[in-house]
Formats: sequence, structure tokens, C-alpha cells
Amino acid sequence: EDQVTQSPEALRLQEGESSSLNCSYTVSGLRGLFWYRQDPGKGPEFLFTLYSAGEEKEKERLKATLTKKESFLHITAPKPEDSATYLCAARGLEYSGAGSYQLTFGKGTKLSVIP
Amino acid sequence: GAGVSQSPRYKVTKRGQDVALRCDPISGHVSLYWYRQALGQGPEFLTYFNYEAQQDKSGLPNDRFSAERPEGSISTLTIQRTEQRDSAMYRCASSLGDGSYEQYFGPGTRLTVT
Repeated sequence: EDQVTQSPEALRLQEGESSSLNCSYTVSGLRGLFWYRQDPGKGPEFLFTLYSAGEEKEKERLKATLTKKESFLHITAPKPEDSATYLCAARGLEYSGAGSYQLTFGKGTKLSVIP
Repeated sequence: GAGVSQSPRYKVTKRGQDVALRCDPISGHVSLYWYRQALGQGPEFLTYFNYEAQQDKSGLPNDRFSAERPEGSISTLTIQRTEQRDSAMYRCASSLGDGSYEQYFGPGTRLTVT
């Protein structure tokens, strides 16, 4: 069974204080590792997809990296507007012959950036 | 362009009633997914469509849950004989398909069963 575990559950940072969020995954044949941002009362907003170990992607103050067992979301000099819950999800091998693109999500890391 | 839309945004129903939740995907997206999200948790997969074909329904919790997408666009998730444990946020997502794995989520329908 595919599993995704995120840590920490919650993180409070001072504005400008860089840090990293962790996502550990156990997936049969990874077909993609996804990061989403979710604001209160809204649906998850797509950020990044990583496909292979060593891959990195950046967007503004965020950088996502991938190893064979983990992914990290690095936040450089965060601002209060970066406060949100960050979700990690993994897609493994297709189920049955028909194929499936279901994502297995972690519980998320709630990030609070204090001015 | 317009994102994924869902209706209603909030639904309160009495135990035992049937409910139908609607999802309108992004125009041109051939793949559509239903998830359920409990408070403080990540979304949990329910079912997936490619065009009008339901390719995977392994996440549907029991036979009271069903979904359809008859014309390959709008989808309806139906819950029959609702129970209090069905209360949750139901989210729909869509993707381009054809190997594009990025899923874009709608705002969700908050279902409360009293």
C-alpha cells in the first residue's frame, strides 16, 4: 500500500527564517511526486511535480527536491503570505490493466510565517 | 480561464437522504477525479474517469457511493442513504490526461449529514 508521511505537522517561522518541509514516501514504482499549497477553505493549488531522484524545481521562494525516499520543500526567506498548509502527494504504478492516476496524499504541514 | 467548479458549495442533509454532488472540470481536461478530505487530512481518492469511462473506483467506501460522467465532461457523485460518517469535504480535480499528471482541484462541496 502506498504511503506518504509529512513532517512536521506544523511549523512556525519568523519572516525571513528559511526552513524545509519533509515528505517521506513508500510507493511502488513512483510515477510522480507532487506538492500542493492549500489555503483555508480552498482546494489544493498545484505547485510542482518531480519525477526522478535528483530533480529540483523552483518557484519564487520555494524549491522542491526529490530523492529515492523523500522530497523536501525548501522555503527561502518566507513572507507571511506563504502561510498555508503544504500537501505532498505521490502517484505509483497503475492499478489493474485499465490504469489509474490516483494520488496518495500526506496529511500536510501547516506553515505559519510570523511578521 | 475558468477553473474546476463544484456545486453546491455546502449541503446539509438528513440521515437517510440521497445527495448528488456536481463537478464541472476545466475545459479540455479529459481526466476527472473525486476525493474526500477530512479536517486536518490530505485528500483521499474515491474514483477516476478518463473521458466518460470510470477507470478506477477502488476508493469508493461502499456501494452507497456511485459516480458518473455520461458525456465525458460534468460528473456527478451520488451518495445514497446518507449516514453521519459521510460528512466531509468532497473535492473534484481534473487533468489534461494523456500522460499529464498535474491535477487541478475545485473548491469542494462541504457535506453535513445530520
